[in-house]
Amino acid sequence: EIVLTQSPGTLSLSPGERATLSCRASQSIKSGYLAWYQQKPGQAPRLLIYGASSRATGIPDRFSGSGSGPDFTLTISRLEPEDFAVYYCHQYGNPPVFTFGPGTKVDIK
Amino acid sequence: VQLVQSGAEVRMPGSSVNVSCKVSGGTFNSYSINWVRQAPGQGLEWMGRLIPGLGTPNYAQKFQGRVTMTADKSTNTVYMELSSLKSDDTAIYYCARHPPAPWGQGTLVTVSS
Repeated sequence: EIVLTQSPGTLSLSPGERATLSCRASQSIKSGYLAWYQQKPGQAPRLLIYGASSRATGIPDRFSGSGSGPDFTLTISRLEPEDFAVYYCHQYGNPPVFTFGPGTKVDIK
Repeated sequence: VQLVQSGAEVRMPGSSVNVSCKVSGGTFNSYSINWVRQAPGQGLEWMGRLIPGLGTPNYAQKFQGRVTMTADKSTNTVYMELSSLKSDDTAIYYCARHPPAPWGQGTLVTVSS
């Protein structure tokens, strides 16, 4: 089973700043099948990025994903007030078991 | 593709719950349907998956022996049964295809005496 480690656990930033979130897998993720989800309190998770770097429908271009092998990054180029949330990475490339990371909380500094 | 789940459930500790996920659009048999849960204040937890056309499920080790995932091809519906319920099974349960496909709307399961 692949274990995903997200860092940092909490990221305290101000609106307008750049956010860089890391997701590291215990082994290489096949085909770059790594997704990022955003979740706000009381809401369902929202898909941001899939296939490591493809933005989901309707996702602003300030969100970008990169990486391969075991190391992946989600970048938010300029934080908007609505971007303060919890972010999860998810690997779906190494069946038969798929996993989520523990999450990174981005909060207002 | 649209995934529509059954409604909220309340169960006693020690009992079982069966959550359904009806799939419309797309090809039912060929793609994984995953089950993910989120307990209050906790992260997302992958429980297992089923490819309806193959019929053989895969479960996270944590749930082995307590979860059963099945599919009814006649109604394009996948089921997740969780048994021997405990209070910490209280959670929202989601069915989901792999990204970028959507998730179901979630089913709140409350385990309480």
